[in-house]
Amino acid sequence: KQEVTQIPAALSVPEGENLVLNCSFTDSAIYNLQWFRQDPGKGLTSLLLIQSSQREQTSGRLNASLDKSSGRSTLYIAASQPGDSATYLCAVLMTTDSWGKLQFGAGTQVVVTP
Amino acid sequence: GAVVSQHPSRVICKSGTSVKIECRSLDFQATTMFWYRQFPKQSLMLMATSNEGSKATYEQGVEKDKFLINHASLTLSTLTVTSAHPEDSSFYICSARQGFNQPQHFGDGTRLSIL
Repeated sequence: KQEVTQIPAALSVPEGENLVLNCSFTDSAIYNLQWFRQDPGKGLTSLLLIQSSQREQTSGRLNASLDKSSGRSTLYIAASQPGDSATYLCAVLMTTDSWGKLQFGAGTQVVVTP
Repeated sequence: GAVVSQHPSRVICKSGTSVKIECRSLDFQATTMFWYRQFPKQSLMLMATSNEGSKATYEQGVEKDKFLINHASLTLSTLTVTSAHPEDSSFYICSARQGFNQPQHFGDGTRLSIL
């Protein structure tokens, strides 16, 4: 059974600092890994998707890496801003699931202070 | 980017009422749609998965007669909470995906409050 873990559960940084968010998974049989952000009372916004064959993906200030063999992904957010405050979730898509259901971590709640 | 529209965003109604929530993919064809429920301070709990034109597959513990899901077209899925009671109050979120290995996109959620 796949287990997805995100540590830390909460993180507070001053504006301008780089953010490093960690995601680990126990079963490396994944198709892809997706990072999302969720603002309070809202749905999820897709940030980046990394295919299992890729090592990293970049979009603007965001960079996500994937080490499938060690079961880890890291989301880097450069030069954080107060608008980056949100809960960040990672999720994996398993090759063994014919329906393609995402397995979510519990999330990291981020606060960027001005 | 891909947009998933969910409506209504908030519903307040009396116990015993049935409530329908719509989920539309606006700029792509969604072969698969998912319905989630989220409790305060918790992660998403998958309720059911549906492919267009097929019956939904429900997760263990989710009552299919209570939560009716229809995925009638490649751009529309509906969730109907039948005879809703206060314990059904929650935040419901839909998501849609064009292909198996494609990103999953989420609606903004529906806050359901049953009095």
